[in-house]
Amino acid sequence: KAGVTQTPRYLIKTRGQQVTLSCSPISGHRSVSWYQQTPGQGLQFLFEYFSETQRNKGNFPGRFSGRQFSNSRSEMNVSTLELGDSALYLCASSESSSGANVLTFGAGSRLTVL
Amino acid sequence: QKEVEQDPGPLSVPEGAIVSLNCTYSNSAFQYFMWYRQYSRKGPELLMYTYSSGNKEDGRFTAQVDKSSKYISLFIRDSQPSDSATYLCAMSEAGGTSYGKLTFGQGTILTVHP
Repeated sequence: KAGVTQTPRYLIKTRGQQVTLSCSPISGHRSVSWYQQTPGQGLQFLFEYFSETQRNKGNFPGRFSGRQFSNSRSEMNVSTLELGDSALYLCASSESSSGANVLTFGAGSRLTVL
Repeated sequence: QKEVEQDPGPLSVPEGAIVSLNCTYSNSAFQYFMWYRQYSRKGPELLMYTYSSGNKEDGRFTAQVDKSSKYISLFIRDSQPSDSATYLCAMSEAGGTSYGKLTFGQGTILTVHP
């Protein structure tokens, strides 16, 4: 079974631009979560989608948004990029529809904002 | 104060040593406890998953959860150089508000030298 696939793996943007990151979950997994990982704050929860609906959201500004498609693939978007948005963005999928949260992570998309 | 506290190390041990990693937490609603391993430039990989208090063993790895003390541990026996990685504890509440949301410790950097 293929794992969680994230694209692109690396990208560089400048302040004020926007970025879209993509995630393909493990086949059969309907829950997709997104996390931001930085050296200072560690791994922080952004949001979770299940059956195209956002069910949970972390404490991030509205510049961070996401969506999920009918095939469970997900995208997240960050608008008006700031230097502090430089991070590893991780997508994780789960086959559970409950809150057990056994997450399988992808390798991440490393975003650098200049 | 962070909800989950984890000593970031770094921790350096000789091959064959027993490694003890631990986390403390403040949220008594946490019901699910996990340990993830993250190699450089990779996403976190689930090592151990425990529900509520107790011990769980898988090969060289043993996870312990003491909910009365709000303390979890991971023991690695006969450590190998391939165990060199960052180890992250993660926790989750049960129920709807927890969908996709894990609260992570800062991670402990472990190096096992030959």
